[in-house]
Amino acid sequence: DQQVKQNSPSLSVQEGRISILNCDYTNSMFDYFLWYKKYPAEGPTFLISISSIKDKNEDGRFTVFLNKSAKHLSLHIVPSQPGDSAVYFCAASGGGGGATNKLIFGTGTLLAVQP
Amino acid sequence: DSGVTQTPKHLITATGQRVTLRCSPRSGDLSVYWYQQSLDQGLQFLIQYYNGEERAKGNILERFSAQQFPDLHSELNLSSLELGDSALYFCASSEQADIQAFFGQGTRLTVV
Repeated sequence: DQQVKQNSPSLSVQEGRISILNCDYTNSMFDYFLWYKKYPAEGPTFLISISSIKDKNEDGRFTVFLNKSAKHLSLHIVPSQPGDSAVYFCAASGGGGGATNKLIFGTGTLLAVQP
Repeated sequence: DSGVTQTPKHLITATGQRVTLRCSPRSGDLSVYWYQQSLDQGLQFLIQYYNGEERAKGNILERFSAQQFPDLHSELNLSSLELGDSALYFCASSEQADIQAFFGQGTRLTVV
C-alpha cells in the first residue's frame, strides 16, 4: 500500500518558468511533509518541509503548499534553473508510528529544466 | 557533504552470499535509518536505531538484520542474497527530535 504517491514520473520545463511537482498521501495521521532532491550517484538532500498545521512554507525559490482536505501537497520552483534538474522525492513523517521519525517516500519525479 | 558516511560505495557479490554495509552517522546524531531503493522505486524504509536500540521496523526481510554500536555507527547485514536484493541502500541520521534526516551517498549492491 503506497501511502505517499507521486503520480508523475517525469516533468520537463523551460528555464525561468515555474516547476510544479505534486504529491498525494493517504494517511491522515502524517504530521510533517518534506521534499528531498536527489542527483545521480548521490544521496537525497533535504530541500524544504512543512508541518501539517501550516498550508504554505517558502524558502527562496522553493514553496511547498499543503492541502490537508485533499491530502495533497505540491512543490513550486520559481524560476526554474538547469541546476534544478534532479529527482524530487516527497516524504511524510508521523502516521501514528510512535517515537520514530521514519520517512515514507514517494517514488520520485524526475525534473528536467531545459535551457 | 551531509556528514553521513557509507562504505563501501559499490559491492558486487554472488547469490547466496552475505554482505555487511556500514554507516557512520553525523557527529552527535543518535538516530540511524536504513532505506532501500530498488530500480524505479522510491526509498523503502527498512529499520531505525536510536542510541543502540531498535526503534522502528519497516518492510525488512528476515534475511536482513542491523545493529547500532556504542560509537553510534551502524551496520546492515544482508544474507542469503538473491538477485532481487540488488539495490541502492541508503543510511540516514538525525538528531533526536529532528524530522529532517541527512542521507549518505549510498551503497550500490549488485547481486549476480
